[in-house]
Amino acid sequence: GQQLNQSPQSMFIQEGEDVSMNCTSSSIFNTWLWYKQDPGEGPVLLIALYKAGELTSNGRLTAQFGITRKDSFLNISASIPSDVGIYFCAGRGFGNEKLTFGTGTRLTIIP
Amino acid sequence: DAGVTQSPTHLIKTRGQHVTLRCSPISGHKSVSWYQQVLGQGPQFIFQYYEKEERGRGNFPDRFSARQFPNYSSELNVNALLLGDSALYLCASSMGRRSYEQYFGPGTRLTVT
Repeated sequence: GQQLNQSPQSMFIQEGEDVSMNCTSSSIFNTWLWYKQDPGEGPVLLIALYKAGELTSNGRLTAQFGITRKDSFLNISASIPSDVGIYFCAGRGFGNEKLTFGTGTRLTIIP
Repeated sequence: DAGVTQSPTHLIKTRGQHVTLRCSPISGHKSVSWYQQVLGQGPQFIFQYYEKEERGRGNFPDRFSARQFPNYSSELNVNALLLGDSALYLCASSMGRRSYEQYFGPGTRLTVT
């Protein structure tokens, strides 16, 4: 099935560093969502975006809905150990309810 | 408030068998969606149900079916299991048909041998 392209595929950073990741699609989306998934658990919703150009924050996390409607970005400031996990973007197109997920970005913090 | 719950947590089945997975949404949520997540990939949409009716279906064979009950809980059924059906099956609930913030349960890990 279709998956959105996320980059980078993996990141190795030190605690305290800022993180940036993005998600791109060949299709236009009406809604962008960002999730975090820990091993053996379901994805946890972090941020939802509904309007092109929208910039939304949730604590140290900031996400943006791209102007073209074909991309979205997630930034994490001052990373901490609990930020470790896999981050997924998800988009919803026009006229349907399903979410199309990205390939994921695995974040690892180097001690 | 309790989140989305799923049962069982883990399941091992043999090729050709049938399986039923269950999901209870967050209280007050009327929409349930099912996703399949193969190891190393993002979740893939299977079904969405709202008010007991199917509102969306992903690119999965007819061996996959689902239903939603009056209390908004849901079952996912898979017939004639194949090795490739081994995956984490996730259930997500949202408040209404046009509420796009979906909240996921912990998933059911299905292994087909």
